[in-house]
Amino acid sequence: DTGVSQDPRHKITKRGQNVTFRCDPISEHNRLYWYRQTLGQGPEFLTYFQNEAQLEKSRLLSDRFSAERPKGSFSTLEIQRTEQGDSAMYLCASSYGQGYNEQFFGPGTRLTVL
Amino acid sequence: KNQVEQSPQSLIILEGKNCTLQCNYTVSPFSNLRWYKQDTGRGPVSLTIMTFSENTKSNGRYTATLDADTKQSSLHITASQLSDSASYICVVSSDFGNEKLTFGTGTRLTIIP
Repeated sequence: DTGVSQDPRHKITKRGQNVTFRCDPISEHNRLYWYRQTLGQGPEFLTYFQNEAQLEKSRLLSDRFSAERPKGSFSTLEIQRTEQGDSAMYLCASSYGQGYNEQFFGPGTRLTVL
Repeated sequence: KNQVEQSPQSLIILEGKNCTLQCNYTVSPFSNLRWYKQDTGRGPVSLTIMTFSENTKSNGRYTATLDADTKQSSLHITASQLSDSASYICVVSSDFGNEKLTFGTGTRLTIIP
């Protein structure tokens, strides 16, 4: 399967713990995006990378959130000191080039903070 | 503030019937509009992408329309199948680059046999 993959698919954690999610984009896709989706809502943009550079971050991305894409391939999203409000589906997407290009989404990581 | 509104919020139809989902947007500047299908617990999958100059685009039994003047779009599903049960999300890009996407909340479609 050469689609976008995310790991883990599900994560249950206690409030205050740190969690890290991984996204592997489609190979050769230079853009990578992170979104958060809560139940019954559409995805909300968090941040995106072009190669290894993080070009934009949403104000939704508080100081407890950090994302990296060190070699311009896979990316990680870390949430420190998780809160119950962080419970959501975290989606990763990738695209090639710039402009009018389709974003391909991964299956998401479902985070539940107890 | 850029917004995308969809209606209805949910819809239940019989297998084999047609349906139309609506999307209104207030996104500026406008680059393109996309419809995605999202199965429960999965990531969205693109159905159609339309730019300002395109009025209609089809993908199998899915046909999307766009009226850029009234800022409205619709997604028509013909001869619905049980596998069409999903959320359908309207997404508008406000940039030539696709990094500024505004998502609607989706229409939850349920097809019953």
